[in-house]
Amino acid sequence: DTEVTQTPKHLVMGMTNKKSLKCEQHMGHRAMYWYKQKAKKPPELMFVYSYEKLSINESVPSRFSPECPNSSLLNLHLHALQPEDSALYLCASSQDWRDLDTDTQYFGPGTRLTVL
Amino acid sequence: QKEVEQDPGPLSVPEGAIVSLNCTYSNSAFQYFMWYRQYSRKGPELLMYTYSSGNKEDGRFTAQVDKSSKYISLFIRDSQPSDSATYLCAMSAPNNDMRFGAGTRLTVKP
Repeated sequence: DTEVTQTPKHLVMGMTNKKSLKCEQHMGHRAMYWYKQKAKKPPELMFVYSYEKLSINESVPSRFSPECPNSSLLNLHLHALQPEDSALYLCASSQDWRDLDTDTQYFGPGTRLTVL
Repeated sequence: QKEVEQDPGPLSVPEGAIVSLNCTYSNSAFQYFMWYRQYSRKGPELLMYTYSSGNKEDGRFTAQVDKSSKYISLFIRDSQPSDSATYLCAMSAPNNDMRFGAGTRLTVKP
């Protein structure tokens, strides 16, 4: 299985809602990533988890809260978002991220988020 | 069958070689085709963007799209060690949901 899955595919939420995005992989990868992609722009790195520990937080607002409950799952908890947070949220995984030979990332299909 | 297939490599070439990277896809609704370059520990950066079929050239890079064969290619001429990175193909249908390939790890040796 060389697939990264993400749920839901689409999410519409209000600014006062709390929701979560989920990402799953069963490739035995130990690094997982969250990206945000606005239309016609490249994905922007948000968080990197390595061995279930947060390794990189690219100065992301606290209304985005990542969680890595185990090596196969990565969640992104959303609370009090703004309309400008509407974007495609991509998850990716790699075997590791510390080694150039093992950090090739596999991307999931993304969750299209709309904040009203 | 995955929507987008890309050989993850790794691919190693000598400096100055012509590099050919390819992806195949199954969804005939895809109309926008992109190539991203990703250096280690960085997010992907957009290299080339093509709409529908045809060729597009930008410096040493040429992107080709063959919609009849559902096949896209990226050619790099006169490859340099600084081209060493992972190259991801991506494509989307008009509703803008994007699908990425697995990425091909390229190393250009001096």
